[in-house]
Amino acid sequence: GAVVSQHPSWVICKSGTSVKIECRSLDFQATTMFWYRQFPKQSLMLMATSNEGSKATYEQGVEKDKFLINHASLTLSTLTVTSAHPEDSSFYICSARGKAGEDDTGELFFGEGSRLTVL
Amino acid sequence: AQSVTQLDSQVPVFEEAPVELRCNYSSSVSVYLFWYVQYPNQGLQLLLKYLSGSTLVKGINGFEAEFNKSQTSFHLRKPSVHISDTAEYFCAVRLDSNYQLIWGAGTKLIIKP
Repeated sequence: GAVVSQHPSWVICKSGTSVKIECRSLDFQATTMFWYRQFPKQSLMLMATSNEGSKATYEQGVEKDKFLINHASLTLSTLTVTSAHPEDSSFYICSARGKAGEDDTGELFFGEGSRLTVL
Repeated sequence: AQSVTQLDSQVPVFEEAPVELRCNYSSSVSVYLFWYVQYPNQGLQLLLKYLSGSTLVKGINGFEAEFNKSQTSFHLRKPSVHISDTAEYFCAVRLDSNYQLIWGAGTKLIIKP
């Protein structure tokens, strides 16, 4: 299947600093990317949906000024956690959707996840 | 509103025994159904999906699932589990009209030696 790569896989930062997480589709063009947050022992919580070239659509309760999402190209989306605090520590996962030939099943391809620890 | 229920948060099973992970959904519209697996500290990997056609779907690693429309279920099965199947399994539903997934809470499969 298609490959989605996230970087970094682990990041530790000080409270008050900003952290950028990248999500790349390596062998296909991702028309839509999704950003999720996963708390320990819980399911994925959708944070936002981003379409290339347009503003991200945030889910209710997600602060758009704190979690900046940029989807400037069909292969790259970034999530920036601004002024991070310990409560932002979590596992962040991106997924991408792109056309799979003529049979667009809408399958999502997931990155490996990025674990953020804010001290 | 649509929802996905995974009835068991954890399922312990002995190695080489069969396993069934349960998933029920509620939706008034057509849905597509997915099972994803998440190994520790990793992203998610698609196990199998039901889009249309045969209700018995075979996936990777020997897993299969059966779509039962009348019972609104999509249970995941494997006839003989291996220690490497230890992971969290997520059931998800995608509405026909969009590409967002609605997720179950996940089931942790614990393989006992």
